[in-house]
Amino acid sequence: AQTVTQSQPEMSVQEAETVTLSCTYDTSESDYYLFWYKQPPSRQMILVIRQEAYKQQNATENRFSVNFQKAAKSFSLKISDSQLGDAAMYFCAYYWPGSARQLTFGSGTQLTVLP
Amino acid sequence: DADVTQTPRNRITKTGKRIMLECSQTKGHDRMYWYRQDPGLGLRLIYYSFDVKDINKGEISDGYSVSRQAQAKFSLSLESAIPNQTALYFCATSDPDQIGYTFGSGTRLTVV
Repeated sequence: AQTVTQSQPEMSVQEAETVTLSCTYDTSESDYYLFWYKQPPSRQMILVIRQEAYKQQNATENRFSVNFQKAAKSFSLKISDSQLGDAAMYFCAYYWPGSARQLTFGSGTQLTVLP
Repeated sequence: DADVTQTPRNRITKTGKRIMLECSQTKGHDRMYWYRQDPGLGLRLIYYSFDVKDINKGEISDGYSVSRQAQAKFSLSLESAIPNQTALYFCATSDPDQIGYTFGSGTRLTVV
């Protein structure tokens, strides 16, 4: 079974600085997808970024980028120029189209942004 | 209106009571899911449904049941609520051409 591990329950970053959230996963599949979701205090699950495993290029969305290391099964999220609105719980998630399209989530990292 | 609507937003219930959490969607998606979120555990799958006649258990289905009343509606029931079912519950939808989910805004359930 696929597992997703986020080893940092909490992290903090100074406003305008850069922070990296870690995620590792375990799978025997070769074609899958990885996601980072943001959950602010409003509880809404917001898709931050998505990475297709078959793509070597790391995904980027504005200030958010990933470092995808397929061989190492690592998928970290880098937030540049951190803003107060980035404070939230961040979940890493794995998705394999053959698994009834179920998302498997990590345990989450609570990010605090310090003014 | 939201694409995926969950009701109620918050609910406090007593141990032993039956409670239903409702989810409706306007996305037209066939696939619907119920997840439970607990601190330190992330989101875990309770049940999922591919269409009205296809319902499947997830990893933590004990103590829960579901009903897919229509393509757009998928309800989660706790037949006899217990305190360790206190959690945040999410409904989500997807379709075969969509990579990823559309989530509702969650129901926070407290069992006292």
